[in-house]
Formats: sequence, C-alpha cells, structure tokens
Amino acid sequence: DVKVTQSSRYLVKRTGEKVFLECVQDMDHENMFWYRQDPGLGLRLIYFSYDVKMKEKGDIPEGYSVSREKKERFSLILESASTNQTSMYLCASSPPGQGGPWTQYFGPGTRLLVL
Amino acid sequence: GNSVTQMEGPVTLSEEAFLTINCTYTATGYPSLFWYVQYPGEGLQLLLKATKADDKGSNKGFEATYRKETTSFHLEKGSVQVSDSAVYFCALSERNTGNQFYFGTGTSLTVIP
Repeated sequence: DVKVTQSSRYLVKRTGEKVFLECVQDMDHENMFWYRQDPGLGLRLIYFSYDVKMKEKGDIPEGYSVSREKKERFSLILESASTNQTSMYLCASSPPGQGGPWTQYFGPGTRLLVL
Repeated sequence: GNSVTQMEGPVTLSEEAFLTINCTYTATGYPSLFWYVQYPGEGLQLLLKATKADDKGSNKGFEATYRKETTSFHLEKGSVQVSDSAVYFCALSERNTGNQFYFGTGTSLTVIP
C-alpha cells in the first residue's frame, strides 16, 4: 500500500513564525502536491513538484514556498505565518504523468492554527 | 478550463436510505473522473474512478458512471450505513494538464441510525 505521511497532525504557531510542514511518501512517486482545505472552498492547490528540485505554482502560492531535495520528501514552508493561513494542509503523491492520469494518494493532513 | 461542481451539502439520511450526490464537470479534453472520501479527522481516500465515457466505477457498494453526454459523474449507493458518514469529493484529471487534479468543494454526508 502507498503510504504518505505528514510530520504533524496538529500544529499551533504564532503570527510571523516560519513554519515547516513535511511530507514523505514511500512509493517512489515522481509527483507530489500540497493542498489546503477550507470549509466551503474544497481543496486548493498550493504547489506541486514533478521531480527532485523541481516545483510549480498551483492556484494559491502566495505566502508559501516549497522544497524537494529528495524524491520521497516534499516540504511546504510558510515564510511568515499569518492568521489567514490557519487551515488543513494535505499532501499527496502520484506516479509520473506519462500514461496517466494517475490516482493521487493523500496523507492524513496537518491542521495548522496560527494565533 | 477544467472545473468540477458538486451538490451543496450537508446531506442527512437515515440508515438504509438511497444516496445520490451529483457531480458535473467542465473539461477541455478527455478527463478521468474520481470520487474521494474523507472520514472525520483523516486525509482523502480514493473511493472509485472511471477513465473513459460509459465506464462505471464501483467500490464498497458505491457506484458512479462516467456520462460524457451530460458531463456528469454522480455518486450513488443503494443503502447507506452510519459508517458512510464522511465528506465526499468529486475530482477530474486530464492528461494534457499533467497529473493536476481539480476538486469539487465536497459534500458532507451524515447517516443517522
């Protein structure tokens, strides 16, 4: 079974702090994604990556950055956390796009509260 | 562009009732269609999928048929259980947009005994 893990289930941070959310997948997937989930808005794509050291902006990249130094790990960084970044953050991974589209596999999510 | 519209919730049903959650899509090419389920406090899990027109995806008693003529992928279950209480997301993905997914806003289902 594909396993996608996220470093924390719950996180509380202060406004202005730098926040790191880590995601690790164990299936050697090329593609990895970060979403945020908010009531009434569904899932919105923040950033995605098709390969190591590669990143692409999604629909709402402002206030976020990402890092993919190893294939299995995709980190989401909030450079200076703000209260409007309080949300559920979901990481996902999938096999490469060629011959796809492929199912995305999700982690359990990190619920972030910014005070 | 690509988008997914699904019925507003929340939906509340009695156990053993029939469930339909409507989903329609807009796509520029030939998408694959998915239903994901999110149980309380968890991430999303794939429930079923269909990759071409007239395909029927099924899993755990849930079914959805890919209808190209009506651009729809409605989720159905003949007899819901309390354990089906969750949020359901319809999604599409197209080859010409890599593996990017487009999700609906989700429909919350509560099944009461």
